[in-house]
Amino acid sequence: EVQLVQSGAEVRKPGESLKISCKGSRYSFTTYWIGWVRQMPGKGLEWMGMIYPGDSDTRYSPSFEGQVTISADKSISTTYLQWSSLKASDSAMYYCVRLSRDGSSWYFDYWGQGTRVTVSS
Amino acid sequence: QSVLTQPPSVSGAPGQRVTISCSGSSSNIGARYDVHWYQQLPGAVPKLLIYGNNNRPSGVPDRFSGSKSGTSASLAITGLQAEDEADYYCQSYDSGLSGYVFGTGTRVTVL
Repeated sequence: EVQLVQSGAEVRKPGESLKISCKGSRYSFTTYWIGWVRQMPGKGLEWMGMIYPGDSDTRYSPSFEGQVTISADKSISTTYLQWSSLKASDSAMYYCVRLSRDGSSWYFDYWGQGTRVTVSS
Repeated sequence: QSVLTQPPSVSGAPGQRVTISCSGSSSNIGARYDVHWYQQLPGAVPKLLIYGNNNRPSGVPDRFSGSKSGTSASLAITGLQAEDEADYYCQSYDSGLSGYVFGTGTRVTVL
């Protein structure tokens, strides 16, 4: 079965940088978009952006454009989400998701296990 | 803030039928973009429940069904069971935002 395995929990201080990862396996990694979803403590789901590992085409939600960077290394079937300067408000659970298509409709059919990021001084 | 609005909570007794609404606008559901639903059990990863308005992935019980009309969509759970206690989110695409959007989420409680 398709697997998305994310890197472990992280604790950082405000202003520090961070890069978390999501490794895909058991499917053709370069032919599916991979997205990132944020869930702040006790809150709902927010789509952050996505990348097509085949050519690194990247799209961002307006809410997250300029705040994070999404990248991919197709040689190791891994996508990344990174921050250059973390804020306390970045504390959340982050999920990577695979996008699948049904006609013109796109949905998130597989989810990583989540990476908890805590930003605290 | 989300562009898809759901009721914060719904509840029902075991065996009952409950529905969760997802209200959008002319730039998402009303623009004929499909609606998908996800279930997040307590402390767990969200899971795809319904895709393409009314299709169930393999393994999802037929107690769950979806529908869409105009600028809104609904998720129905029939024969409510204790294991259905979870948060449920709708999701679609918004042309104004040029991206994917989630609903505000609904907590289902089994009385």
